[in-house]
Amino acid sequence: ETGVTQTPRHLVMGMTNKKSLKCEQHLGHNAMYWYKQSAKKPLELMFVYSLEERVENNSVPSRFSPECPNSSHLFLHLHTLQPEDSALYLCASSPGDGNEQFFGPGTRLTVL
Amino acid sequence: RKEVEQDPGPFNVPEGATVAFNCTYSNSASQSFFWYRQDCRKEPKLLMSVYSSGNEDGRFTAQLNRASQYISLLIRDSKLSDSATYLCVVAPGGYNKLIFGAGTRLAVHP
Repeated sequence: ETGVTQTPRHLVMGMTNKKSLKCEQHLGHNAMYWYKQSAKKPLELMFVYSLEERVENNSVPSRFSPECPNSSHLFLHLHTLQPEDSALYLCASSPGDGNEQFFGPGTRLTVL
Repeated sequence: RKEVEQDPGPFNVPEGATVAFNCTYSNSASQSFFWYRQDCRKEPKLLMSVYSSGNEDGRFTAQLNRASQYISLLIRDSKLSDSATYLCVVAPGGYNKLIFGAGTRLAVHP
């Protein structure tokens, strides 16, 4: 058990729906991340939060909106997604710069 | 050039074989290096950190060559349970960022 949980584990949504992914870490870490993993592609870093402040946004479309209310929780709000957004969305946390990251189990998202 | 490059494989090896994975990275200022393992439809998990002096953990040995910007992972006496995708990961420094390679798939057969 890595100490990082994600809900839901699976999500199917239509292009007009609004949904949110939730991540929670129980490790006392300072940084949290959202990644996207599509089939046969490397992990793509989407957002980085350090001490609840967003420090990186890797040119992610505005239909993905992150929220970090405190150092233990991270959300990814989704609206008007496209079928190509179907992927595994992974949350991770780390103690700080250059340290290894610990991943949650991911949310497998399918956009119809 | 990709920031982190790996041979995608797959590497198909029999149990007991020794297998080596290589990885190159483009940012010479990179500060930390890791190997992660990812099983099918699961999240990546840290296998080991990679130190300049090289390090070993049981059947696994990692090496770093900063001059050549090259990282390797050696697995000895392969087990069926070693079948997975192995991800080379580099931390360029700043903002807690890690760069992941696309991974090398290993299939160990009886």
